[in-house]
Amino acid sequence: QVHLVESGGDMVQPGRSLRLSCAASGFTFIRYTMHWVRQAPGKGLEWVAMMSFDESDKYYADSVKGRFTISRDNSKNTLYLQMNSLRAEDTAVYYCARENIFDSGISNGLDVWGQGTTVTVSS
Amino acid sequence: SYELTQPPSVSVSPGQTARITCSGHTLPKEHVYWYQQKAGQAPVQVIRKDSERPSGIPERFSGSSSGTTVTLTISGVQAEDEADYYCQSADSSGTCRVFGGGTKLTVL
Repeated sequence: QVHLVESGGDMVQPGRSLRLSCAASGFTFIRYTMHWVRQAPGKGLEWVAMMSFDESDKYYADSVKGRFTISRDNSKNTLYLQMNSLRAEDTAVYYCARENIFDSGISNGLDVWGQGTTVTVSS
Repeated sequence: SYELTQPPSVSVSPGQTARITCSGHTLPKEHVYWYQQKAGQAPVQVIRKDSERPSGIPERFSGSSSGTTVTLTISGVQAEDEADYYCQSADSSGTCRVFGGGTKLTVL
């Protein structure tokens, strides 16, 4: 079965750092573009970052650019999100999701999601 | 930053048809994807590439597009369809992803 399992969420003080992990199983991880999406309490989904299957491309939302870093270890089937200089507004459930982008550039969208890990930034 | 616009809420009675719209200036050239999120759960994709239904999604879910607006249609709405629905596409560069603000579907 296809699974994504996030971990690493915690309660931290503003200005501190945290690293999230997303362990993939049941599919060929190296073939997929991977994303982080977050959802603040009572709010909608917000796209955070993405990394291509071969690590050649990575993009970030303006709200996290310069503070967050997405990475992956294809040998461990794991996606990461390094979050620095955390702010109260980064408080959210963080989901990882996969995307299959074909050679044509056409995508099937974010077709598998994890259950999320909770990050709380508070003093 | 680029935004997709959805109505905050839609209400229908069981058996009726629900239509949820999503508007954005890149939609004529970028595909749209729809996700259903029930309370306390992770999102689930219900429509991909504007109108395709992924495996396992009931036939009552369909998608269509016209210019800068796409529509998620749920025919014969059931109580279990009550959820938040989000559209998603790409920005004008085609790289960064963007979500609509979400629409809460209430089944009366």
